[in-house]
Amino acid sequence: DAKTTQPNSMESNEEEPVHLPCNHSTISGTDYIHWYRQLPSQGPEYVIHGLTSNVNNRMASLAIAEDRKSSTLILHRATLRDAAVYYCILRDGGYNNNDMRFGAGTRLTVKP
Amino acid sequence: DSGVTQTPKHLITATGQRVTLRCSPRSGDLSVYWYQQSLDQGLQFLIHYYNGEERAKGNILERFSAQQFPDLHSELNLSSLELGDSALYFCASSVETGANEAFFGQGTRLTVV
Repeated sequence: DAKTTQPNSMESNEEEPVHLPCNHSTISGTDYIHWYRQLPSQGPEYVIHGLTSNVNNRMASLAIAEDRKSSTLILHRATLRDAAVYYCILRDGGYNNNDMRFGAGTRLTVKP
Repeated sequence: DSGVTQTPKHLITATGQRVTLRCSPRSGDLSVYWYQQSLDQGLQFLIHYYNGEERAKGNILERFSAQQFPDLHSELNLSSLELGDSALYFCASSVETGANEAFFGQGTRLTVV
């Protein structure tokens, strides 16, 4: 079973910021928070990941709550190409990372 | 390009048949994960191999099996195929720990007729 909870769907307007939430109340101290997205008819692609501190890369930013029980993926200016299903998952940072299970994710619709 | 290669891209076969899907992980990645994604469904974890050893099983049917070879490529074997096995099959590769990102192939679309 997935250890994260995400809204089923969200909508955004093009060129506006998007905040995608994820709850992971049972996160352990060695779990990294990973985000992936899947565009239509494509394989999932890595977006960003972090452990405790907020992270930025060319695709997005990841804001992690101080208690680590929730996180938010931030797309600073949504484009039509960002319409996808976004998955938040936890991966053990130790050597016990024996599976990588995905939930249903959040389907992001971007309106022009 | 993720660096993960899956072949074939498309496969059409009849019920009752057996097929083999192949996955070549990114250079240096020892872990391979397999997933099944039926139409408009989520990613169902099937199995995880690390450096040739099975590490975890998910919702994998007994008719399905997998292995990882010494050169680290992996194969997913599907036998006694049923119509309901029609789906996209993805593999992903990763360095072992979750401190590193995983990379997915573009998938094999299996159609059972």
